[in-house]
Amino acid sequence: DIQMTQSPSSVSASVGDRVTITCRASQGISSWLAWYQQKPGKAPKLLIYAASSLQSGVPSRFSGSGSGTDFTLTISSLQPEDFATYYCQQANSFLWTFGQGTKVEIK
Amino acid sequence: QLQLQESGPGLVKPSETLSLTCTVSGGSISSSSYYWGWIRQPPGKGLEWIGSIYYSGSTYYNPSLKSRVTISVDTSKNQFSLKLSSVTAADTAVYYCARINMHWFDPWGQGTLVTVSS
Repeated sequence: DIQMTQSPSSVSASVGDRVTITCRASQGISSWLAWYQQKPGKAPKLLIYAASSLQSGVPSRFSGSGSGTDFTLTISSLQPEDFATYYCQQANSFLWTFGQGTKVEIK
Repeated sequence: QLQLQESGPGLVKPSETLSLTCTVSGGSISSSSYYWGWIRQPPGKGLEWIGSIYYSGSTYYNPSLKSRVTISVDTSKNQFSLKLSSVTAADTAVYYCARINMHWFDPWGQGTLVTVSS
């Protein structure tokens, strides 16, 4: 199985800050990676797919990069509504796995 | 707009079988473009993919759950279902259903909490 490791597990940041979250796959997955945002009590929401493609309706302050084993989600200027938990997800041979999550908290 | 809704018992006894249904509205589950999946999230923890199904009945399961999981589809009702056998307290979680577009889960249902307790 492919394991996904996110870092950090939590980050404290202020409105306007640039925030970067990383996700590392235990083996190469090309660009088969997505990022989701989850707010308390809500279902996850797709933000980025295919490592760097922005889902329709998602603000452009969100961006993704990477390929192979190392990936990054960047929020260029953190907004109040961005405080949430973020998960990466890989898809390899129809066996999907998620990272353990990164909680973005208010500083 | 496609919507998914989970339904089923909120309380299941240990050793019994958890059964949930996901009803799809605003689109056809028989679309050749998508798979349909189940994901769960224990309280305060991360997301775990359980398994996925195509409208034809082709399935993929998480290897760690494969021996206990059955996912089926009913195209006439635009539904797909999850059965998880021999449940324990560790199976207590919010269970989500979702459409899988390419390999991406979108959209998701609102989720339903299933508690395993006697």
